[in-house]
Amino acid sequence: GAVVSQHPSRVICKSGTSVKIECRSLDFQATTMFWYRQFPKQSLMLMATSNEGSKATYEQGVEKDKFLINHASLTLSTLTVTSAHPEDSSFYICSARVEGGIYNEQFFGPGTRLTVL
Amino acid sequence: AQSVTQLGSHVSVSEGALVLLRCNYSSSVPPYLFWYVQYPNQGLQLLLKYTTGATLVKGINGFEAEFKKSETSFHLTKPSAHMSDAAEYFCAVLPGYSSASKIIFGSGTRLSIRP
Repeated sequence: GAVVSQHPSRVICKSGTSVKIECRSLDFQATTMFWYRQFPKQSLMLMATSNEGSKATYEQGVEKDKFLINHASLTLSTLTVTSAHPEDSSFYICSARVEGGIYNEQFFGPGTRLTVL
Repeated sequence: AQSVTQLGSHVSVSEGALVLLRCNYSSSVPPYLFWYVQYPNQGLQLLLKYTTGATLVKGINGFEAEFKKSETSFHLTKPSAHMSDAAEYFCAVLPGYSSASKIIFGSGTRLSIRP
């Protein structure tokens, strides 16, 4: 299957700093990428849908100014957590969608563990 | 509204025993159904999926699931559990075929294997 990478895999930062997480589709082009957040022992919560060349669509309750998403190319989307605080500590997972075929299959990245001190 | 319900947040079985993880869904349109596995501090790995055709779907690592429309279920089974099967399992539904459809995840079931 298609491969999605995330960088970094783990990041620790001080409160008030901004952190950028990259999501790349390595062997395919992804018109649409998704960003999820996962709290310990919980399911994935969709934060936003990112379309190449346009503004991201955020889910209800997700602060767009807090979580900046950029999808500048068909293989790269970035999530920037601005002015991070301890409550932003979480596991962030991206997913890239392959368009066409029987259905639009999503492939998931390995996740990024963010710890805000 | 579309939804996914996984019965049992934690399932524990003995090594070699049958694994059964339950999943029921609600969808107003014909769904695509998935099971994913997540190991600690890792992303999701697709175990198997149902799109169309045969309702009994075989996946990786000896897992299989059967789509039962009348019961709106997509339970995951494996005849004989292995220690390496210990992980978190998520059932998911993709309602509809359009590009606007989004995957909806269940709350997850943690599978533990007893020696």
